[in-house]
Amino acid sequence: QVQLVESGGGLVKPGGSLRLSCAASGFTFSDYYMSWVRQAPGKGLEWLSYISGSGDSISSGDSVRGRFTISRDNAKNSLYLQMNSLRAEDTAVYYCTRDSIPYFDSWGQGTLVTVSS
Amino acid sequence: QSVLTQPPSVSGAPGQRVTISCTGSSSDIGAGYYVHWYQQLPGTAPKLLIYANTYRPSGVPDRFSGSTSGTSASLAITGLQAEDEADYYCQSYDNSLGRVFGGGTKLTVL
Repeated sequence: QVQLVESGGGLVKPGGSLRLSCAASGFTFSDYYMSWVRQAPGKGLEWLSYISGSGDSISSGDSVRGRFTISRDNAKNSLYLQMNSLRAEDTAVYYCTRDSIPYFDSWGQGTLVTVSS
Repeated sequence: QSVLTQPPSVSGAPGQRVTISCTGSSSDIGAGYYVHWYQQLPGTAPKLLIYANTYRPSGVPDRFSGSTSGTSASLAITGLQAEDEADYYCQSYDNSLGRVFGGGTKLTVL
């Protein structure tokens, strides 16, 4: 069965950086687009970025474009999110999702990122 | 605020039917983009409930159904059960913004 396991969350100061990882298993990773979706505490869901199976097509939402970078390593069945210039409003649970264009058919359990001084 | 508008909360008694609306615009639902629904049980990750307006993934009971009309979509839940108490989110695509979500609706089973 599809399994997505995020890691790398934690406490970071405003202006700092963090790299999230997602380990995928149970499906042919390189066949699928993948996306990151986040949820601020007590708030709704926000799509952040997607990457194609080969990695040659990437798109990001306005709120993170230029600060966050999605990438993948198909040899390691892993998805990444490099987050720079972090702000307090980036505090959220970050979910790795399998993207079946244009819906998210599998979700990880999430990793919490807290941006605070 | 979210691109897609959902009521903050709905409620119903066990066995009843409830509907959750999702209102968009001519640049998302009204442009013909599919609507998808997710269920988020307390303290857990969201789970795909309905995709492409009306389809249920394997394992989702047929008590859950989706529909669209014009710039809106609806999720209907019949035979309401206590375990249906959760947050529900609609999702579609916007010409300018990409994938977009509704603000979520909290379903309370009375």
